[in-house]
Amino acid sequence: EDQVTQSPEALRLQEGESSSLNCSYTVSGLRGLFWYRQDPGKGPEFLFTLYSAGEEKEKERLKATLTKKESFLHITAPKPEDSATYLCAVLKGGSEKLVFGKGTKLTVNP
Amino acid sequence: NAGVMQNPRHLVRRRGQEARLRCSPMKGHSHVYWYRQLPEEGLKFMVYLQKENIIDESGMPKERFSAEFPKEGPSILRIQQVVRGDSAAYFCATGVGSRTEAFFGQGTRLTVV
Repeated sequence: EDQVTQSPEALRLQEGESSSLNCSYTVSGLRGLFWYRQDPGKGPEFLFTLYSAGEEKEKERLKATLTKKESFLHITAPKPEDSATYLCAVLKGGSEKLVFGKGTKLTVNP
Repeated sequence: NAGVMQNPRHLVRRRGQEARLRCSPMKGHSHVYWYRQLPEEGLKFMVYLQKENIIDESGMPKERFSAEFPKEGPSILRIQQVVRGDSAAYFCATGVGSRTEAFFGQGTRLTVV
């Protein structure tokens, strides 16, 4: 069965304190791995899609990387406005449905 | 994702009533996906539709739930005879091609009382 596990469930950082969020997955024939940001009461906001091991993508203070078993979302010098729940999802070949992890709730204190 | 419109944003229904949730895709998008998010749970796939066709409904409960995406107008997720366990946030995502999953709406929060 396809599974996506995110860790930690919650993370508190001080402003400027860099860290990483983990997304490990078991899926046959990975077609893409997606990262989203979700603010309370809002819909998921697309951040990145990674397609193959070794791929990296960056956007502002965020950098996503992918291996054959996991993905990391690195947050460099976070700011309070980076506080949100970060969701990871996988899409496998032959399917059009995303399988989501439960997310990591990030809180960045000023 | 502001272009994907869902309404209503909040919906309260009594047990046994019907709930109709609407999703208007971004302009040019012909693929619609519905997901459900229960408290403390991840987003779960429900159904994938293209215009006038249900492509994959493997995540839909067998009874009381139905979805459509007509040639004209929004996609509709219908829940008949709602029960308290249906209380959740329902999101649609729309797109076309390989970035189909990129754009989510703001969701409809259904509360069954």
